[in-house]
Amino acid sequence: NAGVMQNPRHLVRRRGQEARLRCSPMKGHSHVYWYRQLPEEGLKFMVYLQKENIIDESGMPKERFSAEFPKEGPSILRIQQVVRGDSAAYFCASSPQGSQAEAFFGQGTRLTVV
Amino acid sequence: DAKTTQPTSMDCAEGRAANLPCNHSTISGNEYVYWYRQIHSQGPQYIIHGLKNNETNEMASLIITEDRKSSTLILPHATLRDTAVYYCIVRAPQGAQKLVFGQGTRLTINP
Repeated sequence: NAGVMQNPRHLVRRRGQEARLRCSPMKGHSHVYWYRQLPEEGLKFMVYLQKENIIDESGMPKERFSAEFPKEGPSILRIQQVVRGDSAAYFCASSPQGSQAEAFFGQGTRLTVV
Repeated sequence: DAKTTQPTSMDCAEGRAANLPCNHSTISGNEYVYWYRQIHSQGPQYIIHGLKNNETNEMASLIITEDRKSSTLILPHATLRDTAVYYCIVRAPQGAQKLVFGQGTRLTINP
């Protein structure tokens, strides 16, 4: 059973471009979480999704950021018109349906905005 | 929003047991204690979790006090590869809620 897969591992974008980060959860997992980690800082929750639904987006910036988890395919975190401050590591985690199920993390996408 | 308190940093000699404390004095009756670690630049790694009984797996042991207000993660024979930031997280079970990470404990294993 493959773990949580994130791609790309590294992404370089110029200011103003769009960044699309993909996360394929572990097989059988229907919950996906996205986190951001700025350089030398802790992990900050962004958004929690189930298939086709956003459950908690309390950590998402109000503008330029969006997330989806379609019925088929990976979850996508989309950042429009990127700025230098978006440079960070973005981690995705998944968990199965269940009250106490642990979440497993991918290796992250490191976004660099130049 | 983290409900836990951990020491900022700790050191441990290689081969010794590493004991990482965590205070969660406001924990609710249905909240679990989870431990994760993050080795430099990698994704967080799940270690163990528990409700009120002590737990053990191939990675570590979790000791939860009877009043559940604190816990200790034990790495029985620390190796250099255990150097990481360790996070203690409390989480309610309803709806697979998000994990809220605090600052964690930076554990350094010394040769």
